[in-house]
This record gives sequence, C-alpha cells and structure tokens, in this order.
Amino acid sequence: EVQLVEFGGGLIQPGGSLRLSCAASGFIVSSNYMSWVRQAPGKGLEWVSVIYSDGRTYYADSVTGRFTISRDNSKNTLYLQMNSLRAEDTAVYYCARVVVLIGSLDYLDYWGQGTPVTVSS
Amino acid sequence: DIQMTQSPSSLSASVGDRVTITCRASQSVSSYLNWYQQKPGKAPKLLVYGVSSLQSGVPSRFSGSGSGTDFTLTISSLQPEDFATYYCQQSYSARTFGQGTKVEMK
Repeated sequence: EVQLVEFGGGLIQPGGSLRLSCAASGFIVSSNYMSWVRQAPGKGLEWVSVIYSDGRTYYADSVTGRFTISRDNSKNTLYLQMNSLRAEDTAVYYCARVVVLIGSLDYLDYWGQGTPVTVSS
Repeated sequence: DIQMTQSPSSLSASVGDRVTITCRASQSVSSYLNWYQQKPGKAPKLLVYGVSSLQSGVPSRFSGSGSGTDFTLTISSLQPEDFATYYCQQSYSARTFGQGTKVEMK
C-alpha cells in the first residue's frame, strides 16, 4: 500500500529555516517524480517543487533560491529545505507522488496528509 | 507562467443535480489537464487525468472534457459525498492549479 507521511512542520520566525520530510512506503521514491504542494490558510493549492527520477529539480518562482527539494534513497524519504522563510510561506505542505505518462502529462496520484508551517514572530 | 481560471468560484446545488465546472488556461495546455477533489481538512484526491481519464476507483458520474484552453468537469448526478472543492491543474508548462470551485449544498 502506498503511503506518504510528512513531518517537520511547525512555528518558525521570519527569516528562519525549516526542513520538511516525507517518508514513503509501498514504492521507491527515487524511481518516481515527487512533488511538494502547499495550501495557505483558506486558500487554494499552489505547486511548489518537483524532483525527477533523474535528479532534476524545478521550483515555483515564489520559492526559487530559497527552497531546495531533495531525497534520501536509503531512507526512501523526500525533503524540502526551506530557508529565508516569509509570512507568505505559511501553509500546509503536502508531498505527493507524480505519475508521468506521455510528453508533459503527469499528475499527482498519492498525497500525504500534510504538515503545517507557520511563519510568524 | 500559465494561469488557470476556474468558474464559478462557488456554486450551490442539490443532490441529484448535474454540476459543471469550467477551467480556462491562459494558453494552450494541450490535453495535460487534471482535476482534483478536496474536502475540508483532507489532502486533495485525484479524480481525472489527461482531460478525461478517470482515476481508478472514481465513480463514473464524474467526467472531464475539453482541449487546448477550455476544459470542463461534470458531475452527472451530485451525491452527498461530492460536496467539496474542485481544482484543475495543468502540467504542460511547469505546474499550476486553478483557484478552486467550492460545491456547496443548496
């Protein structure tokens, strides 16, 4: 059974750093594309980042240069290192597995339960 | 960046109603369009991928259509468990979501 469990969220001051983890079971993280998606309180979904199976990474403009997506193959875990945090980064952060079909068609088929991040002084 | 605009932002409907949600892209996304359902306090759930392919386990009352810039999610007969927020998402260039459509009980 595929499962994703995020942890590492919490309250952090503006300018601070936080690392989110997403532990996967039922599939191999390094063989898949994996994404982070966030949702600010009362708002819609915002795609944050993706890591491809070949290691390439991509980011939303809003987090480029501040966030880093990575994975630990030995732990089958996905990470999101968040630096220089701002109030507008406050959100629930979800990790999700990406299924890739032809061309650019991909979709998020399994999601974790989310971990909340609050950036406030 | 490709912008995704959903309409309406919210709608009120009754059990048994036919519900249609529209998603418009700021430029063509070909057929790289997915739909998700989200209930309060829960993670989103994939409903439809590639415009019209139903994810395994999703009831057949859900259907998707469209191409290029204009897409539609239809619920043929609304059920109590369908009251939720629905999001479209494109994967043609980077990945972006629509702002969501909340389906509420009339």
